[in-house]
Formats: sequence, structure tokens, C-alpha cells
Amino acid sequence: DAGVIQSPRHEVTEMGQEVTLRCKPISGHNSLFWYRQTMMRGLELLIYFNNNVPIDDSGMPEDRFSAKMPNASFSTLKIQPSEPRDSAVYFCASSRSSGVSYNEQFFGPGTRLTVL
Amino acid sequence: GQQVMQIPQYQHVQEGEDFTTYCNSSTTLSNIQWYKQRPGGHPVFLIQLVKSGEVKKQKRLTFQFGEAKKNSSLHITATQTTDVGTYFCAGPLSYNTDKLIFGTGTRLQVFP
Repeated sequence: DAGVIQSPRHEVTEMGQEVTLRCKPISGHNSLFWYRQTMMRGLELLIYFNNNVPIDDSGMPEDRFSAKMPNASFSTLKIQPSEPRDSAVYFCASSRSSGVSYNEQFFGPGTRLTVL
Repeated sequence: GQQVMQIPQYQHVQEGEDFTTYCNSSTTLSNIQWYKQRPGGHPVFLIQLVKSGEVKKQKRLTFQFGEAKKNSSLHITATQTTDVGTYFCAGPLSYNTDKLIFGTGTRLQVFP
């Protein structure tokens, strides 16, 4: 079975450009999570969706960040405009939610973003 | 806000030595999960503990959940080079939520 799929795997862009990260969760999973990982701040949850609905976006740094989940098999995380401090590895993860927090999360390979 | 801290931050061991990482939460957890991230890789789920005082083993790995459900530990017996990576504990922000708060992680380096 395919795991969580993310694209692109690497992205190098210039400050001010728009960046779109993509994620395809595991089929049948109904919760999707976007994380950011840096050496300084560790692994941070940015936003998570349940049944395609954003449940908690309190981790989204600022208005430059937005996320969508138009259907059960696709999600995007957009940064516009990008800044050098956004450089990080962005992970998407999915899980099968049953309404209680007893579910392992499956992580994608991540997108390494570098903003020059 | 809720915090999950891990110690040590880094650990270097000789192959064959034991290793332990400790996880401490500022609040009581309904359960705790452990993940391993290899260098350049992504976090991979290892195990989940739910009951107070629970102990689970996976080959050379022993996981423990504290009686007060605010701390946990991962012990590796006789480390191997394949154990290299960062180990994270993670707990839910509150009951009935999928949102996990990840610990700060312990990076393990094993020298042959």
C-alpha cells in the first residue's frame, strides 16, 4: 500500500515567491496533519483536518500560511509570500480517527523548503 | 500551554551499551506514543501506551508509562548502529483529540 505522498520533495525559492506544498493521505484515513520541523523549534503542528474540515489551525504562524483540503485524498499548504525564516522540512501525516486520540500517525517523506 | 520535554537532548553511546530517553509532560496524558526518525527521514510510529504503569517491549526496546501518566521512558538494551536516529514521545493535547504534542526529541548516535 502507498504511504502518505508529498510533493515536491525539495523546493528552493526566492523570498516573496508563493510556495505550494501538496499531500495525498493514505486512503481511508480521515485525519490529516501538517507539521513543520526545524532545529530550533522541533516538530510543530501547523494545522489538522478531520473529514476534510480544519479543526485546529492555531499552529499556523501567520496569515501568509494557508491550508486547504478540498477532498479526502488531497491537501495543500501554501505560503505567500515566502520568507527565509520559513525554511524548514514540512511533513504531512494522516491517521484513521475514531474520535479518540488513540491513533498512530503516518508521516510522509516531507518537503524540504529553502527560501533564499 | 502544555509542554512535553525529553532528556537528554543528545546521547552518544558505544555499540552494545544501553540507552534511555525520558519524556515528561506538564499535564496528565490519556496515552503516549513514541516515534523514531532516522537521519534525513520522517517520524515512524513505534508504539502507544495507554494504561498507568504500562510496560511494553519490542525486542531490545522497552517502553514504560508512568503511574501518574505524566512521564514515560524508552530503554534500548545493547544498542546497534541501526538504532541511530531521533526518538520522540508524543501525547494528545487533550482527551478526544487527534492533536499530538511532540516532545523535544532525543538524538541517539551509536559508534561501532
